[in-house]
Amino acid sequence: DAGVIQSPRHEVTEMGQEVTLRCKPISGHNSLFWYRQTMMRGLELLIYFNNNVPIDDSGMPEDRFSAKMPNASFSTLKIQPSEPRDSAVYFCASSLNQGANTEAFFGQGTRLTVV
Amino acid sequence: AQTVTQSQPEMSVQEAETVTLSCTYDTSESDYYLFWYKQPPSRQMILVIRQEAYKQQNATENRFSVNFQKAAKSFSLKISDSQLGDAAMYFCAYRADYGGATNKLIFGTGTLLAVQP
Repeated sequence: DAGVIQSPRHEVTEMGQEVTLRCKPISGHNSLFWYRQTMMRGLELLIYFNNNVPIDDSGMPEDRFSAKMPNASFSTLKIQPSEPRDSAVYFCASSLNQGANTEAFFGQGTRLTVV
Repeated sequence: AQTVTQSQPEMSVQEAETVTLSCTYDTSESDYYLFWYKQPPSRQMILVIRQEAYKQQNATENRFSVNFQKAAKSFSLKISDSQLGDAAMYFCAYRADYGGATNKLIFGTGTLLAVQP
């Protein structure tokens, strides 16, 4: 398997524009996580899904953020409208939630810059 | 709510020496998993080592070992024979085990490790 695949790797956008980040989890994994990483706040869990269903979205900062997982092989994180303070690295991770096999595998991340 | 605390924002070690990174956590659960992840400048998150809370024996992976103190809720990482390639940000993480239900993976704020030649 190619691992967790995120796109794009880098995104530069103007304030007010819509941004969509994409994630393809590892085939067979049933849990998916979206994290945001900044120098000030570290790694923050935004939302996670189990079997394509959002379980906990308490980390989503505002209504401007939304996430979907229409099927087991694809998820999106959308920011609309984007603001400069949304600039960060966004990670997607997936795992197979079976007992000791709880390791989360991370994608390469998307570095988002909002100017 | 569960929390993970890493009290050392930065650490430094001489090549070939040993260094210990600290991590404490807070939880009311009895079954959970603890992890150490490494993030080099490439920003890829790499699992270093994993510990199941029900296991008393400390996990080891080559030069990496942990000191798991369940009662004290402490989970430190020891790196022996440090190498230049060990320089990275290290994150401690916690995940509860509710018998199959998905549980979120919670991270500490990280420790930036520098390795001096």
